[in-house]
Order: sequence, then C-alpha cells, then structure tokens
Amino acid sequence: GEDVEQSLFLSVREGDSSVINCTYTDSSSTYLYWYKQEPGAGLQLLTYIFSNMDMKQDQRLTVLLNKKDKHLSLRIADTQTGDSAIYFCAETKASQGNLIFGKGTKLSVKP
Amino acid sequence: EAGVTQSPTHLIKTRGQQATLRCSPISGHTSVYWYQQALGLGLQFLLWYDEGEERNRGNFPPRFSGRQFPNYSSELNVNALELEDSALYLCASSGGGQSSTDTQYFGPGTRLTVL
Repeated sequence: GEDVEQSLFLSVREGDSSVINCTYTDSSSTYLYWYKQEPGAGLQLLTYIFSNMDMKQDQRLTVLLNKKDKHLSLRIADTQTGDSAIYFCAETKASQGNLIFGKGTKLSVKP
Repeated sequence: EAGVTQSPTHLIKTRGQQATLRCSPISGHTSVYWYQQALGLGLQFLLWYDEGEERNRGNFPPRFSGRQFPNYSSELNVNALELEDSALYLCASSGGGQSSTDTQYFGPGTRLTVL
C-alpha cells in the first residue's frame, strides 16, 4: 500500500478552519512535513514536526501528531482564499534522506 | 538570501532526445534532491546527491542520471526521452550530511514536455 495517504479534496468557507489529515505507515520516520503547492509552482514548506512531538503551532497553523495511530493533521485557522492550493504531507527516514509524499489534498476556499 | 533556482523553466523535447535540467541549491546547502511530479503519479523521488556523491536513488531506470558539481549545483540528465517523462521536475536542497534529515527547500521546477 501507499506509504503516506491523504484525502484528495477539501472544501471550506472563508473564515472557517480547515483540517487536512494524513496517515503514514513507517513508525521509524523521523520528521513529518507539510508543503503547499500553488498552481504551476514548486513546493513551499509550511511546517514540520519531529516524531517525538505531539503538537506544533505556528501562527494560523497547528500540526497534531498521533504516533500510535500514525496520523498527522494540519489545521489552518481562519482560512482565506489565498490558502487555496494543494497540501502535501511527507515523511522522511534518516537512512534514505528523501521525502515520501502523499498524493496531496486540494483545498478549495469559497468566499 | 536566494532560494533554490532551476533552469530552464520550460523544456520541450521530442521522443528519443536527451534533456538536461539544472539546479542551484541555497547557499551553504550541500545536499540536492530531484523529484518527478507527473500527472496522476504524485511526487516521486529520483536522486539524492551530497558532497558530490550519489547517496540514494529512487525506482527509475538508468536513463535518469545526474551529477553534483564542486559548487554543489546539480544536473539531471534524462536520456532516450519517452512521452511518459513529461512532468514537472523539482529540485530541493538541504544542509546535507550522509544521513540527512534536514528540511528540504524546493525550487520552482522545470516543466519538461516530450512530444
């Protein structure tokens, strides 16, 4: 099966909170990341969490990590139309160096 | 401080030709990674270079190759192009080390179209 899984679509209203979920399979993953990709652009690093943490908050972004269930979530507070993009969850393992990505969640924000 | 840069922005080739894509990492970074983002296939890891050496390789055929120069910039070469090589090729850099878990920062990508 896939190493990292995400739902493909999420639609919210401007001003609401968005929650994007991700599951991963490898408990040896050291860091977990969230990247944002706007149309035709590269990946923008949003935030990351070390595997021994439960939560990380950075302005409007909150990352929650449940290691037991191998579940990662990204909450965007007060979602704006400029947050419309594809959000990728990724894990990395120290021995391999490369990121393993989910297929991305397309977030649509309606005014 | 300049981010990761890639050239060219767009590249159009025909089947059987060779493509060369270039990447300059963030100043001070020694690791460079290449990823392919093809429609419907998501982001797939191609190659990882650190200090001029290939550290890891994804599940791609040998016609995908590359190198890293002494200034840490990198080239990705794709030989005998096939239609399915059409994709956005993303380069990332990180601080480096043989067992790198450093955060990766991405460039804007090169859009390769194979006709």
